Amino acid sequence: QMQLVESGGGVVQPGRSLRLSCAASGFTFSTYAMCWVRQAPGKGLEWVAFISYDGTNEYYADSVKGRFTISRDNSKNTLYLDMNSLRAEDTAVYYCARDTGVGAAVGWFDPWGQGTLVTVSS
Amino acid sequence: EIVMTQSPATLSVSPGERATLSCRASQSVSSNLVWYHQKPGQAPRLLIYGASTRATGVPARFSGSGSGTEFTLTISSLQSEDFAVYYCQQCKTWPLTFGGGTKVEIK
Repeated sequence: QMQLVESGGGVVQPGRSLRLSCAASGFTFSTYAMCWVRQAPGKGLEWVAFISYDGTNEYYADSVKGRFTISRDNSKNTLYLDMNSLRAEDTAVYYCARDTGVGAAVGWFDPWGQGTLVTVSS
Repeated sequence: EIVMTQSPATLSVSPGERATLSCRASQSVSSNLVWYHQKPGQAPRLLIYGASTRATGVPARFSGSGSGTEFTLTISSLQSEDFAVYYCQQCKTWPLTFGGGTKVEIK
């Protein structure tokens, strides 16, 4: 079955960096766009970043633009999120999710991973 | 940025009753609207896409309607597993944006 498993979360000091990974299985990873969505504790969902199936197009939320970079390695079926200059307000559970469109993205997502918690604190 | 506004924030409903959730967009998103639900401690799950098409495996008691700026998710007869938080999301333009969510709780 389709599965997404995030890893790399943890506690990090403000201003430091962290890399999240999302391992995909059960589908042809290289044919689907992917995204990262986060959820601050007790809050709603916030879309963070998107990458096309082949990595040629990326989009970011204004709140992370210039600090976060989404990337993928289709040979390893893995999605990444490099987070730099982390702030307290980046504290959240980070989910990776698959766009449901094959090839061309449609902008809605299924399935989602179980999430990984990032805590930015001194 | 398109702002998505959901109402009410909390909806108290008895099992077996009907629930109606609203989502409003700050500008037209045509039918580019999806609904997810999220149970405590779990990841969101896709319910409805294209404003009214149920995702695979979603029971028929869930229905979506609307276009433009006004959308509705209706759960015809609430089951115990339906008590959760529901989010709408527009996929018309970047950045993708979610509503703040409606919590459906047991009355």
